[in-house]
Amino acid sequence: KQEVTQIPAALSVPEGENLVLNCSFTDSAIYNLQWFRQDPGKGLTSLLLIQSSQREQTSGRLNASLDKSSGRSTLYIAASQPGDSATYLCAVSLFTGGGADGLTFGKGTHLIIQP
Amino acid sequence: EAGVTQSPTHLIKTRGQQVTLRCSPISGHTSVYWYQQALGLGLQFLLWYDEGEERNRGNFPPRFSGRQFPNYSSELNVNALELEDSALYLCASTSSTGAGYTFGSGTRLTVV
Repeated sequence: KQEVTQIPAALSVPEGENLVLNCSFTDSAIYNLQWFRQDPGKGLTSLLLIQSSQREQTSGRLNASLDKSSGRSTLYIAASQPGDSATYLCAVSLFTGGGADGLTFGKGTHLIIQP
Repeated sequence: EAGVTQSPTHLIKTRGQQVTLRCSPISGHTSVYWYQQALGLGLQFLLWYDEGEERNRGNFPPRFSGRQFPNYSSELNVNALELEDSALYLCASTSSTGAGYTFGSGTRLTVV
């Protein structure tokens, strides 16, 4: 059974710092990996999607890498801002176009950026 | 392009009642997933619908059920509500092209 672990569980840093969030998964036979952001009480906003054949994806100040063989992904946030404060979730999909139970989620990293 | 739409946004129900939550996927997406996120817990998979059929369900009792309509919208029904059913219920849709999952804003259910 696929398990996803995110480290750290919580992180508080001053504004402007660069930071790295970690995600690991137990079954390397994934189809893709997605990073989401969740604000308190809200739905999930997709940040980056990495297909299994890709090594990284970038969007603005965000960069996500994927090392499928070692079962690891990292989300790099450059020049953090207070608006980045949220819970960041990593999720993997084992199948194309859905399948089984869809996404398997980590428990998230709760990020606070201090002004 | 409209995103995944969920309704209602908030609900308050009494223990023992029944509730129906609704989800409209992104146009062209045929798969709809339902997840439960109880306070302080992670996302738990509830149900998967594809092409109008229930394809898989998570470790939840039978009083959690649903269906998918010909236009691929979906309903989640919860019977005999219990206090521990209080949670944020999230719907997601995806397509067969593997372009990732898109989530709705969720329905916050409070059972009193």
